[in-house]
Amino acid sequence: EVQLLESGGGLVQPGGSLRLSCTASGFTFSSYTLNWVRQAPGKGLESVSAITGNGGSTYYADSVKGRFTISRDNSKNTLYLQMNNLGAEDTAVYYCAKDRSAMGHQSHDFWGQGTLVTVSS
Amino acid sequence: EIVLTQSPATLSLSPGERATLSCRASQSVSTYVAWYQQKPGQAPRLLIYDASNRATGIPARFSGSGSGTDFTLTISSLEPEDVAVYYCQQRSNWYAFGQGTKLEIK
Repeated sequence: EVQLLESGGGLVQPGGSLRLSCTASGFTFSSYTLNWVRQAPGKGLESVSAITGNGGSTYYADSVKGRFTISRDNSKNTLYLQMNNLGAEDTAVYYCAKDRSAMGHQSHDFWGQGTLVTVSS
Repeated sequence: EIVLTQSPATLSLSPGERATLSCRASQSVSTYVAWYQQKPGQAPRLLIYDASNRATGIPARFSGSGSGTDFTLTISSLEPEDVAVYYCQQRSNWYAFGQGTKLEIK
């Protein structure tokens, strides 16, 4: 059974930093592109970042480019999102999501339960 | 940047009725469209990928169609548990989601 479990969310001040983690099980972790998708309170979904299975390629939404860094540790089956210089607009539930197939840049067939990031003074 | 526009914003129907949800892309995305269902307090769930393929475990009452710029998610006979917000997503150029259609059951 595929499972994705996010952690690391919380309350942070504007300009602060936070690192999210997503621990995975139930599939061959290193074979799949993984994604971070966020949802501001009461709003829709926004793709934030993606990383290929071997970590060799990363992708970012324009809204987070230069501030967020995605990475993965395939030996620990864990995905990360380092978030720096946070602003109120980054307040959201952050989901990690797995690509449907190992071909890369696919729709997302499994999602974690999400972790809430609140940026406020 | 590709923009997806979903309509209607809210749809209110009775159990057993047919629901038709629309998603229009600002430029062609071939068949690279997925549909997700999100119930309150839950993560999104993949229903349809690549416009018309049902994801694993999705009931046959859910179907998708379309190509180019116009896509449709159809629920053939509504069940009470189908109450949710439905999002379309394109993967032709990075990713983008539509703003969602809220489905209510009368």
